[in-house]
Amino acid sequence: EVQLVESGGGLVQPGGSLRLSCVASGFNFSNYWMSWVRQAPGKGLEWVANIKQNGSARHYADSVRGRFTISRDNAKNSLYLQLDSLRVEDTAIYYCAFLPGYWGQGVLVTVST
Amino acid sequence: SYELTQPPSVSVSPGQTARITCSGDTLSKQYTFWYQQRPGQAPVLVIYKDTERPSGISERFSGSSSGTTVTLTISEVQAEDEADYYCQSSDTTYTFEVFGGGTRLTVL
Repeated sequence: EVQLVESGGGLVQPGGSLRLSCVASGFNFSNYWMSWVRQAPGKGLEWVANIKQNGSARHYADSVRGRFTISRDNAKNSLYLQLDSLRVEDTAIYYCAFLPGYWGQGVLVTVST
Repeated sequence: SYELTQPPSVSVSPGQTARITCSGDTLSKQYTFWYQQRPGQAPVLVIYKDTERPSGISERFSGSSSGTTVTLTISEVQAEDEADYYCQSSDTTYTFEVFGGGTRLTVL
C-alpha cells in the first residue's frame, strides 16, 4: 500500500522559514518524479514544485520560485520542501504527492504575526 | 503561464447526470486527470489519462475529451458525490503541473 506521510508544518512569522518532510512507502520511491501541492484555506489546489527521480531536475510555480526549494533523499525514501521568506499568502495545507494517484494527508503551514 | 478553466459550481438532483468541464489550450496534446475532494480530506483520483477509471472508483464516473475541452461525467448522482472536483494536466514539456480552479458539485 502506498503511503505518504508529511511532517514539519506549524506557525511561523512572515519572513521566517520551515522545512517540510515526507516519508514514502509502498512503492519504489527512487523511480518516480515527486511533487508538492498546496491548498490555501477555502481555495483550490495549487501545484508548488516537482523533482526528478535523481534530483537532477526541479521545477517550481512562479509564486514560490526563489523562495522554496524541493529536494529528496532516495536512501531515506524522503521528499523535502524548504520554505524560506514566507509570506502570509503561503498559508496552506501542503500535500506531498506522487501524481497523479497518491497524496499524503497534508500538513498545515500558517504564516502569521 | 498556463491555465485550466472549470465552472465554479454545478448542481444536480439525485439520480441525474452531472457534467463538469475543463478547458485548456494544450488539453488536446496532454492527458487530463480528475480528482474528487471532500471537505477535510486529501484529493482522490477518479479519472486518469482522460478516460481511464482507477480500481475502486464507481463506474458512474467517466471521462471524455474533445479538442481542448475534457469532461467528467457522473451518472446517477448520489448524495455522497457532493464534493469539489479538480482537473489537472501538464504543460507540453512536462515542466510543470497545473490544476483547474475546481468545481463544487451540489446534490440538491
